[in-house]
Amino acid sequence: EAGVAQSPRYKIIEKRQSVAFWCNPISGHATLYWYQQILGQGPKLLIQFQNNGVVDDSQLPKDRFSAERLKGVDSTLKIQPAKLEDSAVYLCASSSNYGYTFGSGTRLTVV
Amino acid sequence: TQLLEQSPQFLSIQEGENLTVYCNSSSVFSSLQWYRQEPGEGPVLLVTVVTGGEVKKLKRLTFQFGDARKDSSLHITAAQPGDTGLYLCADRTGTASKLTFGTGTRLQVTL
Repeated sequence: EAGVAQSPRYKIIEKRQSVAFWCNPISGHATLYWYQQILGQGPKLLIQFQNNGVVDDSQLPKDRFSAERLKGVDSTLKIQPAKLEDSAVYLCASSSNYGYTFGSGTRLTVV
Repeated sequence: TQLLEQSPQFLSIQEGENLTVYCNSSSVFSSLQWYRQEPGEGPVLLVTVVTGGEVKKLKRLTFQFGDARKDSSLHITAAQPGDTGLYLCADRTGTASKLTFGTGTRLQVTL
């Protein structure tokens, strides 16, 4: 089966600019997650969707981050405006009863 | 908030050596998972352990879960360059299956 697709792979922006990431999960996976992984650390959950509803967004900085999952399939994560500390890899994952599958991530550099 | 501490943070060894990495949790694990993440990729699940005292083997990798279900170790026998990567422990919790990741151990195996 096809894996979790993410784009772009890399993005460099200046601080205060906006950026958006896209994720297409494995077909049939109802649950979709966005994780932030700062260099040298483990991933941290930003937001979790079940179909097109939000299950957990308690660690999402809502003043600058937003995410949506229209029609319960693919999802976008947006940052506006970006700060230097947002430099990280943004990982999307989807899950079924059998386990998680992660995408390859988008590496964001804010300069 | 659950905290997962991994040690050591970095490990550089030569091919053929044995090594052990550790994961300690501030609270009891619901379902402990170990992942390996290669550069530029998302984490890939290695094993899931649920029962205290459980030992699982995956080829040259041996996973132990502490009796109290608050600690775990991963032992690699005769390390190979292909074992290079970031090793992450994680707790998969709740019906929503949120993952809380540890701080990670970065392993480099050289010829």
